Amino acid sequence: GESVGLHLPTLSVQEGDNSIINCAYSNSASDYFIWYKQESGKGPQFIIDIRSNMDKRQGQRVTVLLNKTVKHLSLQIAATQPGDSAVYFCAENIPGNQFYFGTGTSLTVIP
Amino acid sequence: NAGVTQTPKFQVLKTGQSMTLQCAQDMNHEYMSWYRQDPGMGLRLIHYSVGAGITDQGEVPNGYNVSRSTTEDFPLRLLSAAPSQTSVYFCASGEHPISEQYFGPGTRLTVT
Repeated sequence: GESVGLHLPTLSVQEGDNSIINCAYSNSASDYFIWYKQESGKGPQFIIDIRSNMDKRQGQRVTVLLNKTVKHLSLQIAATQPGDSAVYFCAENIPGNQFYFGTGTSLTVIP
Repeated sequence: NAGVTQTPKFQVLKTGQSMTLQCAQDMNHEYMSWYRQDPGMGLRLIHYSVGAGITDQGEVPNGYNVSRSTTEDFPLRLLSAAPSQTSVYFCASGEHPISEQYFGPGTRLTVT
């Protein structure tokens, strides 16, 4: 299957700092990407998505950047808060109705 | 609006037993899917459905069956449980494949 990888398995940041979580994808045909947040014992929760015809999309305190040239996706969280501590997954959709998930990055916010 | 619900929350099976994991959504979503999540790994797609009466295999379908007789329900059947199927199972739904997917709370399955 397709691989969706994350550069760093763990990330620790100080409260109030900005966080950047990276994701590499391998299939140039992927046309839709989603970032999910998963808290312990819960199902993944949608954060933000981006289609392949866009380079950047902003939400509330979050920004997703897509670099199709190097097949790289990043999630930026502004002014990180303790409630942002969780595992973050990127997922890519390759035309064919299937999503492939990365292995996840664990974000820890230090008060 | 309950969203996506899954039952049971926890289940212990003996090798060779069969069972059905239930999934229901009340958002009238056409697309539904089942994933398993193992420690240190991302979610892997087991089966999915793009509408009632239509199902297809995902990345890891072996040992699992699905059916979609209604828009709301998408049960996952384990035919003969094996220890390798010990995992956390998540059901998800979305308006269509290229859209936000809503996940249920998960079923933690242990096969001894």
